[in-house]
Amino acid sequence: AQSVTQLDSHVSVSEGTPVLLRCNYSSSYSPSLFWYVQHPNKGLQLLLKYTSAATLVKGINGFEAEFKKSETSFHLTKPSAHMSDAAEYFCVVRRDSNYQLIWGAGTKLIIKP
Amino acid sequence: DAGVTQSPTHLIKTRGQQVTLRCSPKSGHDTVSWYQQALGQGPQFIFQYYEEEERQRGNFPDRFSGHQYPNYSSELNVNALLLGDSALYLCASSTRLATYEQYFGPGTRLTVT
Repeated sequence: AQSVTQLDSHVSVSEGTPVLLRCNYSSSYSPSLFWYVQHPNKGLQLLLKYTSAATLVKGINGFEAEFKKSETSFHLTKPSAHMSDAAEYFCVVRRDSNYQLIWGAGTKLIIKP
Repeated sequence: DAGVTQSPTHLIKTRGQQVTLRCSPKSGHDTVSWYQQALGQGPQFIFQYYEEEERQRGNFPDRFSGHQYPNYSSELNVNALLLGDSALYLCASSTRLATYEQYFGPGTRLTVT
């Protein structure tokens, strides 16, 4: 069965330092993978998506993610954290059979001033 | 262009009651999906509507039902509420051909006492 595992429930970084949010997936074929962000009291927003094109995917707000098939990973990174990045981040895989989205448990990103 | 809107934003119900949540999709979108997000968890897929019919369903009991109107707006109905139904209910809209790229509303926070 397809699934995603977000390896950290919380990540805390200082403003201006790099961000790394880790996600591993299990999928039988080349998966479609996504990262969504959820700010407090706001709806979920699509950050970026991987759909079998370039393995390095650039998203909004300076985020990017690299698809590594050999490691079954799709980690989200940003070179320099900003206070406004504080939010919950979800890694998502699309089920091959019916295109349903399968969500990870989320990683809460905390930015220290 | 209005995004996805949901109403109400919050509501409190008693066990055994019934509730109806409403969603208006983003302009140009014809597909609506509903999710349940319990505290500290990722969204769980409830069902998806397209052309006024339920097209896909997640692992939720029949107490959860829905409807889609000709203008693509949608309702989620939950009967015989249980304490465990307390959650944030999210509506997402998309086009039929790009259901992976979903736009989310801010959600309805349901509390069952």
